Amino acid sequence: QSALTQPASVSGSPGQSITISCTGTNSDVGSYNLVSWYQQHPGKAPKLVIYEVSKRPSGVSNRFSGSKSGNTASLTISGLQAEDEADYYCCSYADSSTHVLFGGGTKLTVL
Amino acid sequence: EVQLVESGGGLVQPGGSLRLSCAASGFTFSSYSMNWVRQAPGKGLEWVSYISSSSSTIFYADSVKGRFTISRDNAKNSLYLQMNSLRAEDTAVYYCASHSSSWRFDCWGQGTLVTVSS
Repeated sequence: QSALTQPASVSGSPGQSITISCTGTNSDVGSYNLVSWYQQHPGKAPKLVIYEVSKRPSGVSNRFSGSKSGNTASLTISGLQAEDEADYYCCSYADSSTHVLFGGGTKLTVL
Repeated sequence: EVQLVESGGGLVQPGGSLRLSCAASGFTFSSYSMNWVRQAPGKGLEWVSYISSSSSTIFYADSVKGRFTISRDNAKNSLYLQMNSLRAEDTAVYYCASHSSSWRFDCWGQGTLVTVSS
């Protein structure tokens, strides 16, 4: 199976909201509510920000939210802050043979 | 504090072998499944392998199946990845990551760089 599809880049001004999409297929995103999102700053390890489509881990700002419709999951960041500038990756359980797929990543620029 | 620390990366020739380690602390390692995830330079994340808490269940990505072996030693709070028949396309930062139900990766190490080149 191919990687999940994300836009290469998105941008927004401080205080604005942005949404990053993650498109899969009926075999992954569309079949399971097991989508997670990771934030990665340059040179750092990824950090979990959303799991099970829309749940936030303890300590993650409530400015981060997730949703899913059909084969497409979305990450929304509201009230953009400079510290949100990073790469974001979606991830989905796929099936018993592929197991896990990541998206190609989206670079968020805060203007 | 939960901590995962990878080691064992380095430069290896194509066809060579390398063994990565991941030392865990700050949590009950023996209760958690674990994974290896890699990231080629300037590229995205790629899941590599999964091992259950008791080592009874193991999965591999097709790209490494038959060449890589994941293992763990719960007495030593350590996770391993034995990598054989290495190829240039295996060049990446390798992260160990703890696994929770719902296939989410809660905690990540800082990564160790593996470079396969002649």
